Amino acid sequence: SAVISQKPSRDICQRGTSLTIQCQVDSQVTMMFWYRQQPGQSLTLIATANQGSEATYESGFVIDKFPISRPNLTFSTLTVSNMSPEDSSIYLCSALGTLTDTQYFGPGTRLTVL
Amino acid sequence: GEDVEQSLFLSVREGDSSVINCTYTDSSSTYLYWYKQEPGAGLQLLTYIFSNMDMKQDQRLTVLLNKKDKHLSLRIADTQTGDSAIYFCAENTGFQKLVFGTGTRLLVSP
Repeated sequence: SAVISQKPSRDICQRGTSLTIQCQVDSQVTMMFWYRQQPGQSLTLIATANQGSEATYESGFVIDKFPISRPNLTFSTLTVSNMSPEDSSIYLCSALGTLTDTQYFGPGTRLTVL
Repeated sequence: GEDVEQSLFLSVREGDSSVINCTYTDSSSTYLYWYKQEPGAGLQLLTYIFSNMDMKQDQRLTVLLNKKDKHLSLRIADTQTGDSAIYFCAENTGFQKLVFGTGTRLLVSP
């Protein structure tokens, strides 16, 4: 399994600002992902973070709003840009395990936008 | 698209068995998963089953898969108060994309 950490664990931000969330994996992984969990809801995939190329976004999510970086095989960032209260959610990163097709999740970043 | 459906809530007494059900959408899903989310925490992978299996047992957990009906269940034997959490099923619809169920909140009372 992969051990995943995220920073910050939580933040309260003002509307119109941006927040960058970091995700660190304890080993090299081929695939990393970013999910959003809105209050009381399930998880929705935002994008697949590709190493060395642009992220692959799911329907309803765009690069201008959620720019993603993945400079190497252990690290990725997600930026939530020009935030509004509707962006208040938990943002989780995940990584694909090396032995099986299983995804391991970080502890999440709880974002509140005022 | 269709949702991966789960019942919203399940309440059991400590020591009883819990059965959480899930109806998924994609008959070509290769793997199906169960995750646990405790309050304020991320997701913990509990177990998974490959689509060519009918059943998988892992200590107190038993997963049953009915591909014909696209039905997945998780049975927790001897449920403990520490099992209280939200349980999500998820299907791998290809290219490692996970589609999550709506989540079932399990409450275990002493």
